[in-house]
Amino acid sequence: GEDVEQSLFLSVREGDSSVINCTYTDSSSTYLYWYKQEPGAGLQLLTYIFSNMDMKQDQRLTVLLNKKDKHLSLRIADTQTGDSAIYFCAFDTGRRALTFGSGTRLQVQP
Amino acid sequence: NAGVTQTPKFRVLKTGQSMTLLCAQDMNHEYMYWYRQDPGMGLRLIHYSVGEGTTAKGEVPDGYNVSRLKKQNFLLGLESAAPSQTSVYFCASSYSAGSYEQYFGPGTRLTVT
Repeated sequence: GEDVEQSLFLSVREGDSSVINCTYTDSSSTYLYWYKQEPGAGLQLLTYIFSNMDMKQDQRLTVLLNKKDKHLSLRIADTQTGDSAIYFCAFDTGRRALTFGSGTRLQVQP
Repeated sequence: NAGVTQTPKFRVLKTGQSMTLLCAQDMNHEYMYWYRQDPGMGLRLIHYSVGEGTTAKGEVPDGYNVSRLKKQNFLLGLESAAPSQTSVYFCASSYSAGSYEQYFGPGTRLTVT
């Protein structure tokens, strides 16, 4: 099955860029996702990338996919205090559901 | 459009008690899922359903049962709660397995003492 690893915690200052990383073992996913979870809430889709793409940019978000190294990253430019949350990478592994990483807690300091 | 709703939001059970968590969606989605979230472990799939009247086991199904009698509802049951089932439970739904987005409910925080 899929093995997904994320670092647990990242702290940045407001206005800096944040980079959240994810490594995985199963390369059969069609889509690779980033979900955001704010305190006390469910997960919300932030962005996604199709597996045949290397990069996707969506306003302040940039997703990079390195298929050779099985590495997915999410870059948030000009990080704001409202970006403080837990970020999960996720993969569809053909089992009709998603496999999630353990989540990275992003703390943005003013 | 309420999206995905879950009831209750919080619950405390004693070991051996039973309860049912209700998930409802008003988006006419075919697929529905139950996950549990534990610290440092991300979300793990308990059971899922690909349509009304169907259910299937996920990654961690033991100790749970589910039913999907109506398309819009997906119920998760604990017949005899154990402290290991203390967790936050999330329901999600999607149009299909190929859909790129799952929509999540706000979660149910369950404590078993």
